[in-house]
Amino acid sequence: QVQLVQSGAEVKNPGASVKVSCKASGYTFTRYDVNWVRQATGQGLEWMGWMNPNSGNFGYAQKFQGRVTLTRDTSTNTAYMDLSSLRSEDTAVYYCTRVATGNIHYSYMDVWGKGTTVTVSS
Amino acid sequence: QSVLTQPPSASGTPGQRVSISCSGSISNIGSNAVSWYQQLPGTAPKLLIYANDQRPSGVPDRFSGSKSGTSASLAISGLQSEDEADYYCAAWDDSLNAYVFGTGTKVTVL
Repeated sequence: QVQLVQSGAEVKNPGASVKVSCKASGYTFTRYDVNWVRQATGQGLEWMGWMNPNSGNFGYAQKFQGRVTLTRDTSTNTAYMDLSSLRSEDTAVYYCTRVATGNIHYSYMDVWGKGTTVTVSS
Repeated sequence: QSVLTQPPSASGTPGQRVSISCSGSISNIGSNAVSWYQQLPGTAPKLLIYANDQRPSGVPDRFSGSKSGTSASLAISGLQSEDEADYYCAAWDDSLNAYVFGTGTKVTVL
C-alpha cells in the first residue's frame, strides 16, 4: 500500500541541525511532489516547503528560507528535510506528505507520514 | 501565522449537522482549490476533501465541502462520536507562493 515511513524521534541542542527522512513505498516516488508540514504541540499545521523528487526542484516557506534544505535520494525513494540553527520554537512534530497533483492551484496532500517528533532542548 | 481563518470550535449532538467555515482572500481561496484535513487525537492529519468538494474513496458521504468566492465550508451531517477531531482547511496562496492552512477547528460531539 502507499505509505510514507519517517525516521524516529530526535532530541537536539539549540543551535544544532536535524535531518528527518521519509521513505516512500507503494507508488512511483518520482511522480509526486513531497511537502513538509510541522505542528508544534497544541498548535496548528504549518507548511515548510515542497520538493519535486524527479527534478530535485524545491520551494520553501519564507519563514524557513536559509534554515531548511529539502533533498531526496531516488535510489532509495527517500526524501529528507534538514533544519539548521535549531531553537526551542522548532520543537514540533514534522510530517512529510505526498502532493496529489502536478497543478499547484489544485494541489492537496493525499498521503501523510506518521510524523517525527523533534525536541530542541538544552 | 495562519492565513486562513476558522472558528476555534464547533459542537453538536450525535446525528446533528455541523458546519465549519474557512475564510481567506483572493490570493488563496479566491484563486485556488481548497482541501480539508481531519486530525484525530494523537494521529497524523488525513485528507477529507480535495478540489473544494471532492471526497477521496473511503471518506463517508456525511462529509461535504463547498466554496464560494474567498470562503469555503466543511459540513458534517449525521454527526458521530468518531468525528470528534481537529479540522483544517488549506489552499495554495499565489501571493505568498506558499501552501497555507487554516487556524483549525476542534469539533466536539456532545
